[in-house]
Amino acid sequence: AQKITQTQPGMFVQEKEAVTLDCTYDTSDPSYGLFWYKQPSSGEMIFLIYQGSYDQQNATEGRYSLNFQKARKSANLVISASQLGDSAMYFCAMREGRAVRGAGNMLTFGGGTRLMVKP
Amino acid sequence: GAVVSQHPSRVICKSGTSVKIECRSLDFQATTMFWYRQFPKQSLMLMATSNEGSKATYEQGVEKDKFLINHASLTLSTLTVTSAHPEDSSFYICSADRGGPHNYGYTFGSGTRLTVV
Repeated sequence: AQKITQTQPGMFVQEKEAVTLDCTYDTSDPSYGLFWYKQPSSGEMIFLIYQGSYDQQNATEGRYSLNFQKARKSANLVISASQLGDSAMYFCAMREGRAVRGAGNMLTFGGGTRLMVKP
Repeated sequence: GAVVSQHPSRVICKSGTSVKIECRSLDFQATTMFWYRQFPKQSLMLMATSNEGSKATYEQGVEKDKFLINHASLTLSTLTVTSAHPEDSSFYICSADRGGPHNYGYTFGSGTRLTVV
């Protein structure tokens, strides 16, 4: 079974509008972390936002917010006021286990969503 | 802070030759380094996990004799693609584990685009 599922291969959004990118995950570990990364055409992975499994509140970072619904195992990324520079691939990723240095807990990535912002 | 320098960013090599990719943590000690491969329009797939001073752990289906990983120090991990073939052409990216609960837990290199001709 897929551990991270992103069901939207591609999405369009009008500039200045908000957009939600879906992500569902599957784990039996009570400790986990969820990440969203942006990958422009240059290939670099740009960290956007993080949500820990024990965090009570939804994470927010500027125009990015994470709609964390633990019971539904979803961690959707919301981008408000889309900009042309937001056009890129977006990946949801999960770390299973506690964040202990050297524990070797790798990130598992979803298939990605290509977001295209229209002027 | 938390920078991982990856070199080269692009490399073209002939079939049968070997290519070395370096990932260097500039301002922290990377106990664990992850190596990913990304084919065009696909996601990142973990190839192997390397820990300083020990042998790398390879994911199923990844040939350890073809993709040699060395993590000899806390600041340097290398991936060598041996006897490269056109099907090895891909985007390779490393990620260092800093530990800790938040975003600085993982720092990515800028990636290496390998083309084998």
